[in-house]
Amino acid sequence: AQKITQTQPGMFVQEKEAVTLDCTYDTSDQSYGLFWYKQPSSGEMIFLIYQGSYDEQNATEGRYSLNFQKARKSANLVISASQLGDSAMYFCAMSPHTSGTYKYIFGTGTRLKVLA
Amino acid sequence: NAGVMQNPRHLVRRRGQEARLRCSPMKGHSHVYWYRQLPEEGLKFMVYLQKENIIDESGMPKERFSAEFPKEGPSILRIQQVVRGDSAAYFCASSPNRDSPREQYFGPGTRLTVT
Repeated sequence: AQKITQTQPGMFVQEKEAVTLDCTYDTSDQSYGLFWYKQPSSGEMIFLIYQGSYDEQNATEGRYSLNFQKARKSANLVISASQLGDSAMYFCAMSPHTSGTYKYIFGTGTRLKVLA
Repeated sequence: NAGVMQNPRHLVRRRGQEARLRCSPMKGHSHVYWYRQLPEEGLKFMVYLQKENIIDESGMPKERFSAEFPKEGPSILRIQQVVRGDSAAYFCASSPNRDSPREQYFGPGTRLTVT
């Protein structure tokens, strides 16, 4: 079964500190993509970072990095130097390459609160 | 280049009415995905369409829901005889090429409230 698991319903972090949001996935596909999206209270889905299953280097985008451990099937998001504007819901998603549809499978999300 | 557009942004319907949600993909994109987000949950895949074709509707409820993506015009998600459980945010995403899975761009969503 294709599944994304986010075990942290809520997280707190002090401003300017780093925080790690956990994500594990389950798929039998050899080729897949992993994504993180941010959903602020306004509701839109903001793309943060992408990791391909064959990428050997961990993806980085500014203050975001993805800690990809393929053998453990984990794709944790690390946010460095947290800012108040980082307070939001964060969703991990996977796109297995089954049947050529590339649909996304989302986790249940982690609500991050950055404290001043 | 305009992003993915969805309208309306908010829609209120009474039980038993029909809801029509529209999605205009980004220019040059011919693939559309619809997702539903129930309150306090993650997004769930509903349907994947290309122009004039439904490719994967494995996430669509069997009754009352339908989707289309005509040759001209936006993609439409149609919900007939809405019930309170249909209240959710409905997102569409578009992609230029199904061989580029990283390129799914999301619209701002339509929030449907059924009273």
